[in-house]
Amino acid sequence: DIQMTQSPSTLSASVGDRVTITCRASQSISSWLAWYQQKPGKAPKLLIYEASSLESGVPSRFSGSGSGTEFTLTISSLQPDDFATYYCQQYNSYSETFGQGTKVEIK
Amino acid sequence: EVQLLESGGGLVQPGGSLRLSCAASGFTFSNYAMNWVRQAPGKGLEWVSAISGGGGSTYYADSVKGRFTISRDNSKNTLYLQMNSLGAEDTAVYYCAKSGCSGGSCYSRFWGQGTLVTVSS
Repeated sequence: DIQMTQSPSTLSASVGDRVTITCRASQSISSWLAWYQQKPGKAPKLLIYEASSLESGVPSRFSGSGSGTEFTLTISSLQPDDFATYYCQQYNSYSETFGQGTKVEIK
Repeated sequence: EVQLLESGGGLVQPGGSLRLSCAASGFTFSNYAMNWVRQAPGKGLEWVSAISGGGGSTYYADSVKGRFTISRDNSKNTLYLQMNSLGAEDTAVYYCAKSGCSGGSCYSRFWGQGTLVTVSS
């Protein structure tokens, strides 16, 4: 199975900060990577698919990049609504796997 | 508007069975692969199973293979997950999700609100 490793596990940041989360795959997954945002008690929400394609309705401050085994999610200017947990997911093959999550906290 | 409504969760004893349902609306259900994803309390997300739009292809995580069965009834716009031989490790919120696909690979584009399954004596 393909393993996904996110870093950091927790990130403390302030409103307006530029934030970057990294996700590494244990083998090449081309660009078959998605990013999700989850708030406490809520279902995950798709932000990015195919590594860099922004889901409709998602603010443009979110962006994704990378291919192969290394990927990043960037929030260009952190907003109060962005404090949440973020997960990457590879969908190169069944079975799909998620990273362990990155919690973005208020500094 | 896409809507996914899970049901069927609850408290079940170890070794027991449960069937989850996910009622879909707002899109042509049979055109889309569907997923089940779970989240144990305080933990991360774990993909559980997927099924093609027509129902002819199914996929499972190793952790549930042989115990869980995914199915769908396209005439009823409903997705199912039959769970047998349940153990404490299966305690989680179970989400159904509508797939989005690009280049033949599919991700979970839209998620329901989830149903909680608790396995305990």
